[in-house]
Amino acid sequence: DAGVTQSPTHLIKTRGQQVTLRCSPKSGHDTVSWYQQALGQGPQFIFQYYEEEERQRGNFPDRFSGHQFPNYSSELNVNALLLGDSALYLCASSFGRGDDRNSPLHFGNGTRLTVT
Amino acid sequence: AQSVTQLGSHVSVSEGALVLLRCNYSSSVPPYLFWYVQYPNQGLQLLLKYTTGATLVKGINGFEAEFKKSETSFHLTKPSAHMSDAAEYFCAVRTGGSQGNLIFGKGTKLSVKP
Repeated sequence: DAGVTQSPTHLIKTRGQQVTLRCSPKSGHDTVSWYQQALGQGPQFIFQYYEEEERQRGNFPDRFSGHQFPNYSSELNVNALLLGDSALYLCASSFGRGDDRNSPLHFGNGTRLTVT
Repeated sequence: AQSVTQLGSHVSVSEGALVLLRCNYSSSVPPYLFWYVQYPNQGLQLLLKYTTGATLVKGINGFEAEFKKSETSFHLTKPSAHMSDAAEYFCAVRTGGSQGNLIFGKGTKLSVKP
């Protein structure tokens, strides 16, 4: 049973560039959430996708956008990269929209983005 | 609005000693609380969760946590530390929204000395 997989594992970009990160949810899961974890900090919620729509969004600018595909996989896009976007980006999947607050999130190992 | 405060960014214990990692939360609704562990260069793994019912929650790897509403706390404990417990630990509260995203504390790095 494959868990949450993310690609790539590491990425180096230059300020102003655009980046796309990818996530495949755990088998049987249909909801994908993205988190940003800056160095020395806890993860911060970016947004959540369910049924190919953004359902909830954290306090992140419009430079951060996403997409969910019919197979439930997801992409996170960041435009006009800033140095402050350097972080570990974590994808988490779950089943359902999260109305069951018991439903735990399963996290991938993340993509380490470095902006120079 | 919900929030989580983890007291102590770094805790060091000797192998075999008690592990106590502190977490206090703020929530306007009955909270759902979680502890996650993160090993270097890895994602987060769920240790345990509190939803409703029994206030003492047992998790994996011998960890447990007690929900104390009067103290708004959810401290994580383990009676005897093992070298393999060295990692970063995050306390989180699930928001009251239907989609229920997590709000994490800043984390506590646990070091275990031989």
